[in-house]
Amino acid sequence: AQSVTQPDIHITVSEGASLELRCNYSYGATPYLFWYVQSPGQGLQLLLKYFSGDTLVQGIKGFEAEFKRSQSSFNLRKPSVHWSDAAEYFCAYGGSQGNLIFGKGTKLSVKP
Amino acid sequence: EAGVVQSPRYKIIEKKQPVAFWCNPISGHNTLYWYLQNLGQGPELLIRYENEEAVDDSQLPKDRFSAERLKGVDSTLKIQPAELGDSAVYLCASSPGTSGGVNTGELFFGEGSRLTVL
Repeated sequence: AQSVTQPDIHITVSEGASLELRCNYSYGATPYLFWYVQSPGQGLQLLLKYFSGDTLVQGIKGFEAEFKRSQSSFNLRKPSVHWSDAAEYFCAYGGSQGNLIFGKGTKLSVKP
Repeated sequence: EAGVVQSPRYKIIEKKQPVAFWCNPISGHNTLYWYLQNLGQGPELLIRYENEEAVDDSQLPKDRFSAERLKGVDSTLKIQPAELGDSAVYLCASSPGTSGGVNTGELFFGEGSRLTVL
């Protein structure tokens, strides 16, 4: 079955430090991959998406993600984290049935 | 442009009572989704509509859950009767549509309806 794994449940980084959130998927065909962010009490907002082409994709708020087929990964990165980035981050896979399969999320806390 | 609108934002009911959630998708979006998000978990699909047709309801617990999307615009998700385990956030999302059965586009989410069953 298709699945998305986010191995880190909770990550804490200092403001200004770099960030990498991990995401692995299990599926054989070319994936459609997404990263969403959810602030407390809010809906999910798309950060970036990968369909094809350049494996390094840029998103909003200074985020980027790199698709690595050999590792079945789509990790999210940001060079310098801001306090406002504290939220929950979800990786998602675009399934063939026309819906998104989400990972369980990684909660990001930012230390001042 | 207005986003996906959901109501109510919060609902507290006693078990065995009915509850309904309403969703108004972004204008022109043919595809509508209801997702369930339990605390500390990612969203899980309950049902997907293409226009007014439910094309994927395999994860919808049909003994107590029902949904409709009359006229292919607004949608209502109902639970009757509610159980303690139904306490969660119910998210509605919409997208312009699928291509060849594959979702290649962004889903736009509402803020969710948080249900607490006592």
